[in-house]
Order: sequence, then C-alpha cells, then structure tokens
Amino acid sequence: AQTVTQSQPEMSVQEAETVTLSCTYDTSESDYYLFWYKQPPSRQMILVIRQEAYKQQNATENRFSVNFQKAAKSFSLKISDSQLGDAAMYFCAYSGATNKLIFGTGTLLAVQP
Amino acid sequence: DGGITQSPKYLFRKEGQNVTLSCEQNLNHDAMYWYRQDPGQGLRLIYYSQIVNDFQKGDIAEGYSVSREKKESFPLTVTSAQKNPTAFYLCASSILVRNTEAFFGQGTRLTVV
Repeated sequence: AQTVTQSQPEMSVQEAETVTLSCTYDTSESDYYLFWYKQPPSRQMILVIRQEAYKQQNATENRFSVNFQKAAKSFSLKISDSQLGDAAMYFCAYSGATNKLIFGTGTLLAVQP
Repeated sequence: DGGITQSPKYLFRKEGQNVTLSCEQNLNHDAMYWYRQDPGQGLRLIYYSQIVNDFQKGDIAEGYSVSREKKESFPLTVTSAQKNPTAFYLCASSILVRNTEAFFGQGTRLTVV
C-alpha cells in the first residue's frame, strides 16, 4: 500500500522569506502523481501544485515550486517570498493506479510579520 | 457556478443515532470521495466511487455507508456502529484522468452530543 509521510507537524517563516515543507512517500508503482494542497482557516482545500512522476522537471507555480526526487521518493514544497496569506495547513498527496488521493498528516505553516 | 456542495456545515448527533451527510456536485465528475479529517491525522479515505451504483471502501470504512444512485450525489451515512464519529468530513470529486486535481466541498463538522 502507498503511504505519504510529512514529518514536520508545524513550521514557521518570516514574511518575505523562503520555507521548504518536506514530504516523502512509499510506493511500488512507477506511474503516479503528486500534489500539494493548501487548507487555510476556512478549511477549503485548494490545489497548490502538481507533479507527474514521469517528468524530471520540477513543477513551478509562481512563488511555489517543488523538489521532486523520484529515487529518494521525496517531494518537498518551496514557498518563496512568503506572504501572510500563505499561512495554512499544507497537505502532500499521492495518486496512483487506483486514482485515489492518499494524504499525509499535514504541516501547519505560520507566517510571522 | 459549478462546484461541490456539502450540507449541513455543522451537524449534531445524539449517540446511537444514524446521520446522513449530503454531497452534491454539478461538475459532471465521475469520481467522488469521502474523507475524514482529525487533528494530527490528515485526511483519511472513507469511501470512494468512480461510477454510478458502484463504490469502494477506503481505509476507514467501518461504521460508515454510502450510496451512488446519481452521478451528482454521494451521501455518507454515519451509523451508530462508528465508535468515534466526531470529526470534520470532506467530500471531493474529480474526473477520471490521472493527474487531475480533486475539487473539495467546504466540509461538514459532525459532533456527537
């Protein structure tokens, strides 16, 4: 069975600084997709970024980028120029052959002004 | 506007009672999912359905039941057999394409009193 692990329950960053959230996963599949979702205090889940496992190039969406290391089964999220609105719970998620989304336990990010 | 709607937002249940959470989507998505969110445990999959009249158990299906009589609707019943039903419940939907994002409802907070 596939698993997703987020080892940082909480992180803090100063406004305008850069922060990296860690995620590792375990799978025997070769074709899969990885996602980062954001859950602000409203609790509405929002997709931040996605990565296809067959692509070597790391995905980037504006201030958000990933470091995808397939051999190490690592998928970290980097947030550059952090803003107060980035404060939220961040979830790493995996989707494989069954199309189910499997989530990690989340990292609560605080942004200090 | 297209989207996914969960109701009610807050729900109170007496011990020993069954209760049904509603989830409706007008996105024409084939797949629908129910997740349970508890502090420190991330999102755990309860049930999912990829086609009308068919559904599969997720990781924590015990004490829950679902139906998928219409493509648009995927109600979740929390039965009296669920030992610890107080939680935040999220419904999601997606098309059946591997790298597509899942769209989430705003959730239902269930409290057993």
